[in-house]
Amino acid sequence: DAKTTQPTSMDCAEGRAANLPCNHSTISGNEYVYWYRQIHSQGPQYIIHGLKNNETNEMASLIITEDRKSSTLILPHATLRDTAVYYCIVRPANNAGNMLTFGGGTRLMVKP
Amino acid sequence: KAGVTQTPRYLIKTRGQQVTLSCSPISGHRSVSWYQQTPGQGLQFLFEYFSETQRNKGNFPGRFSGRQFSNSRSEMNVSTLELGDSALYLCASSRGDRGHSGNTIYFGEGSWLTVV
Repeated sequence: DAKTTQPTSMDCAEGRAANLPCNHSTISGNEYVYWYRQIHSQGPQYIIHGLKNNETNEMASLIITEDRKSSTLILPHATLRDTAVYYCIVRPANNAGNMLTFGGGTRLMVKP
Repeated sequence: KAGVTQTPRYLIKTRGQQVTLSCSPISGHRSVSWYQQTPGQGLQFLFEYFSETQRNKGNFPGRFSGRQFSNSRSEMNVSTLELGDSALYLCASSRGDRGHSGNTIYFGEGSWLTVV
């Protein structure tokens, strides 16, 4: 699976948009980008995933560059409850299994 | 619809003992996998079961084992516990089909194991 690189930590003001970058320069054509977050002492929570088109759901938006070598997760109006570690993961399209490779993630701190 | 359920949530064991953790996947999900999370190593994949068969395995010693029942519920067992086995053990489930449409992986809240 492709390796991902994320900043170790980021801060965001409450109510502002949080933009979390992820680099996956070795991603191959059949690999999807997934985002999960983990709030302290809880299990990882699925946020969103995409292949090459931008995606949006009730939690966030995912912007994937045209060359697919990087992506940005956008939380449009961050709240204190969005403070968590955010993981960017690439997963092969033909991977039916649950074997996700987690990196260190980005620790997002939303401040009042 | 109920999420992934793990029991127990917290437990304390003594070195040398064994422990069994249980996971009930989301209804309709046939794939169950287990992960270990420690401060030093982060989130690491242990193994995955699909239709009662181990489909993928991570790089953990044989003391770590698992099984899946016909109703897709799964258990993992750690024998001869060591202090380093203290961790959050997470279970995840998905439909297990090939392809991504509707095959998202969902995690439970985890079981906190402390070995003393």
